[in-house]
This record gives sequence, C-alpha cells and structure tokens, in this order.
Amino acid sequence: EAGVVQSPRYKIIEKKQPVAFWCNPISGHNTLYWYLQNLGQGPELLIRYENEEAVDDSQLPKDRFSAERLKGVDSTLKIQPAELGDSAVYLCASSLVGGSSDGELFFGEGSRLTVL
Amino acid sequence: QQPVQSPQAVILREGEDAVINCSSSKALYSVHWYRQKHGEAPVFLMILLKGGEQKGHEKISASFNEKKQQSSLYLTASQLSYSGTYFCGTGGVFGNEKLTFGTGTRLTIIP
Repeated sequence: EAGVVQSPRYKIIEKKQPVAFWCNPISGHNTLYWYLQNLGQGPELLIRYENEEAVDDSQLPKDRFSAERLKGVDSTLKIQPAELGDSAVYLCASSLVGGSSDGELFFGEGSRLTVL
Repeated sequence: QQPVQSPQAVILREGEDAVINCSSSKALYSVHWYRQKHGEAPVFLMILLKGGEQKGHEKISASFNEKKQQSSLYLTASQLSYSGTYFCGTGGVFGNEKLTFGTGTRLTIIP
C-alpha cells in the first residue's frame, strides 16, 4: 500500500516569493492534515480536512497561507508571499476516522522549505 | 496548549530502560505516541483512550492517568533502533481530531 506522498521534498525560495506543496493521502483516508514542524519541535496543526471540508483551520495564517482539497483526495498548501519565518518542514498526514480505525495518523516525509 | 514532555533528552546504553512523560494542562481524552527519526516522518506507536487500558507495542508500552492528565511511555531493554525523538499528542474524544503534539523527547541509544 502506498503511503502519503508529498512534493516537493525540498524547496528554496527568496522571501516574498510564492510556494506550493502537494499531498496525496493514502487511498480511502477521509481525513487529511497539514502540519508545520520547526527544527527540534513537535508538529503544529495548520489545517484539518474531513473529505473536502476544512473542519479546523484556526491555526492557519490566512493572510498568506491557503489550502484546498479538491474532490476530497489530493491537497495543496500555498504560501504567498513567503516570509523568512516560514522556513520549516511542512508535513501532510492522513487518517481514516471512524469504523475500525484506531486513530493512527500516517505522515508523509514532508516538504522542507527554506526562505532566503 | 502544547503538552509538556520530560525529559527533553536522554542517552541510554542498549538494554537499559527509559520512561518518557507527557503532561497536559487540559483534560485528556486521548493520547497518541509517535517516534520520529532524524529527517523522517513521525511514525505511530500507539493511542490510549480515556477509560482504556495500558497498551503495549513490542517492548514499548504506555499508560494513561486521567486524573493527573498525564501519560507515560515505557521503553524496556532499549534497542539501537529505538533512537529518535518521541512525541506525545493529545487529542479529542474520538482520538485524532485536534491532535496537539508535545515538546518532544530526544532518545539516543548507544551500544
């Protein structure tokens, strides 16, 4: 079974440039998460989707960050314009909520963003 | 609020035991434990739900103290492969909604 796929793995941009990250969750998983992880710290939730609906985006800085999950499958996270403080690893995770699920989140390998 | 983990870092020799603690300032409904190796994705270890029993996973087990709003992860007879950063995550009633990760504990196992 394929895991959560993210791209790009690495991205270096100059400040004020836009950037986008893509995530393909595990097939059949109805819930998708975007997390931000700074070096040496735990992941911080940016947004959580249940199918196509963003059910928790309270931590998403909406002035520069946006996300979408079209057709309830793939998702894209965009930053425009990027700031120096946005340098971090952006993790995507998916899970199957309900049924026999034990609540496990499956993470992708992340997209490491460096803003110069 | 972010759960607080202790210790922040620990170094053990192979075969020794370790305990990692996770404390929350809010009522706990569920606790997840994940391990992340350097440069890799976090990997699920286990989830404990309010009212549930202590769980085990190979030589790794965990407990959930609702009254103290704490969870502890126990690693017995540690192996080199146990090295990594361990994160607890506190969730909602159903498990993984609004999952908030802790500050992390870096575990290094040396031969």
